Amino acid sequence: DSGVTQTPKHLITATGQRVTLRCSPRSGDLSVYWYQQSLDQGLQFLIQYYNGEERAKGNILERFSAQQFPDLHSELNLSSLELGDSALYFCASNPLRDTSDLGTQYFGPGTRLLVL
Amino acid sequence: GQQLNQSPQSMFIQEGEDVSMNCTSSSIFNTWLWYKQDPGEGPVLLIALYKAGELTSNGRLTAQFGITRKDSFLNISASIPSDVGIYFCAGRFSGGGADGLTFGKGTHLIIQP
Repeated sequence: DSGVTQTPKHLITATGQRVTLRCSPRSGDLSVYWYQQSLDQGLQFLIQYYNGEERAKGNILERFSAQQFPDLHSELNLSSLELGDSALYFCASNPLRDTSDLGTQYFGPGTRLLVL
Repeated sequence: GQQLNQSPQSMFIQEGEDVSMNCTSSSIFNTWLWYKQDPGEGPVLLIALYKAGELTSNGRLTAQFGITRKDSFLNISASIPSDVGIYFCAGRFSGGGADGLTFGKGTHLIIQP
């Protein structure tokens, strides 16, 4: 158990819909990362939040957005869903308290999204 | 962008055999990480490497951070059935934590009875 929790575990929805995925980082971790895992693209970094603020962006579509709340949990919002958005979505966290952070990230169990 | 080439793509081995897999990058990294992922689960961190040339062990697992900072390998000695899964290398370049990890495509390890 990494200490990172994600809900829901599974999500089935239709094209054009909007969903919200939730992540709670490990206790005390300030930084949250979102990743998408699909068969053809593998694990891709989407976005990072640190202590409530966006810190870095990866391959995140404009239809996707995220936020981190004062209690440090994070939500990933996926809108205007397409069939190709079906994938596993992972959240990861690390302490990132200062610039000496060395990049170790701990992953949650993921949310499996199926768009029909 | 940064790309990681991980090989082999899959390995079929007998229980008890040693395993070796590696990753190479077109760019240098400051950190190399090795993860294992079981079906339906998130990646689990196995070994983290922070310095060029560093050799680190975790039980039967050994990994090294290449001197050029563009490659890393992972060895598993005396494989057992629970070693089955997908192994991913991941690299991170940016200092200060403002960047995500770049992942390899994974090595599927299959142990034949």
